[in-house]
Amino acid sequence: AQKVTQAQTEISVVEKEDVTLDCVYETRDTTYYLFWYKQPPSGELVFLIRRNSFDEQNEISGRYSWNFQKSTSSFNFTITASQVVDSAVYFCALSANAGGTSYGKLTFGQGTILTVHP
Amino acid sequence: ETGVTQSPTHLIKTRGQQVTLRCSSQSGHNTVSWYQQALGQGPQFIFQYYREEENGRGNFPPRFSGLQFPNYSSELNVNALELDDSALYLCASSLGQGTADTQYFGPGTRLTVL
Repeated sequence: AQKVTQAQTEISVVEKEDVTLDCVYETRDTTYYLFWYKQPPSGELVFLIRRNSFDEQNEISGRYSWNFQKSTSSFNFTITASQVVDSAVYFCALSANAGGTSYGKLTFGQGTILTVHP
Repeated sequence: ETGVTQSPTHLIKTRGQQVTLRCSSQSGHNTVSWYQQALGQGPQFIFQYYREEENGRGNFPPRFSGLQFPNYSSELNVNALELDDSALYLCASSLGQGTADTQYFGPGTRLTVL
């Protein structure tokens, strides 16, 4: 079975603080893909990043960075110098060939509500 | 380039009724996936359509059904609505059906069952 755990239900920070959102995943597959999505109050899930299981290089995009560690099955997301506009629910998701299926089913975590105060 | 669109935005139904939700995929995308997101939860996979065929299904009963049309737009139909069907229904499109294909989501349809 595949599972994604986001242990932090809610995080509250003050603007300009750095914040890290944790994600731990479980899968038996050796080939899999990890994603982060942002869900603002409007409800639409906005794609942020995709990482495959063979690429453990950390990635930075502006104020966003991602740390992928296969040894701990974690794919953490850091926002540097947070802003009020970063307030949203953030989801980590996993896509893998579970049970021999090849279709792209996303398994999501419960989400982390991030509130950035001015 | 037009993104994923969904209609209607909001819908209120009563228990036992039937509902149809619609989704237009992003230009060039041939795969559509549907998810149900209950309040305070992560989205749950309902099913996926690839080239007009259902090619994957989550743990949802048969009263959840769908269609994909030649232009790759899609419908989600739910029969015999139950109170627990109240949720945000999200549609996502992707270039292909595989695990590597990034899914891009629409704004969702908020369904309330009374």
